[in-house]
Amino acid sequence: GQNIDQPTEMTATEGAIVQINCTYQTSGFNGLFWYQQHAGEAPTFLSYNVLDGLEEKGRFSSFLSRSKGYSYLLLKELQMKDSASYLCAVWDTNAGKSTFGDGTTLTVKP
Amino acid sequence: NAGVMQNPRHLVRRRGQEARLRCSPMKGHSHVYWYRQLPEEGLKFMVYLQKENIIDESGMPKERFSAEFPKEGPSILRIQQVVRGDSAAYFCASSDRGHSSSMNTEAFFGQGTRLTVV
Repeated sequence: GQNIDQPTEMTATEGAIVQINCTYQTSGFNGLFWYQQHAGEAPTFLSYNVLDGLEEKGRFSSFLSRSKGYSYLLLKELQMKDSASYLCAVWDTNAGKSTFGDGTTLTVKP
Repeated sequence: NAGVMQNPRHLVRRRGQEARLRCSPMKGHSHVYWYRQLPEEGLKFMVYLQKENIIDESGMPKERFSAEFPKEGPSILRIQQVVRGDSAAYFCASSDRGHSSSMNTEAFFGQGTRLTVV
C-alpha cells in the first residue's frame, strides 16, 4: 500500500519563501507529482520528479530523495494568488495509479 | 484541443435518487481515473478505467457505485440510491499512459462535478 504525509496547513508572508514537505511510503515508486488546487477548482499540474534532485521551474522548485521517501515543493517570492492547496501525489507503477496526500493549505498574508 | 470535460458541474439529488456523472477525456487519452474529494480533504482514488475495461476499482464502494468507459462516448460514474454522505466533488483525470508504462505522464483533471444530496 501507500502512505503519504504532508502538513495540513501553512502560513507565509507575501514575498517570502515557503517549503512544503511530503513523505511517502510506496511499493512501486515511479514518480512524484505536485499539484496546485484553488478552492472549488480542479488540481493543476506543477511538477514531476522521478530522479533524485531539484527541478526548478520559475518561482516553483521541487526536490526528491527516493532513498528517504521525501520530497518538497519550494515556492519563492510568494504572491497572494499562491494561496491554495498543494497536493503531493505518488505514482505506483505496480498499482498503475497515483495516490494523493490530503494536501497542504497554504495561506499567503500581506 | 479541449481539456478533460466533466458534466454537470453541479448536481443536486434527493436521497434515494441516482446520480450520473460524465467525463470526456482529453483527445487521444484512453486512461481515465475518478477521484472523490470531501471538503477540506485530499483526492481519494476511486476507479481506473481504460477503454471498455475496469483496471482497478479498489477505491470504489462495492455497493451503489459503478463506473464504465465505453468504446464510444464518455466515462460514466453512477451512484445509485444516493445518501447525504455521497455529497462531494468528483474529479475525473485522463492520461495517455497507464499501467503498462514505465514512464508516467501527468494526468489532466476536469473541473469536477459537485454533488449535493439533500
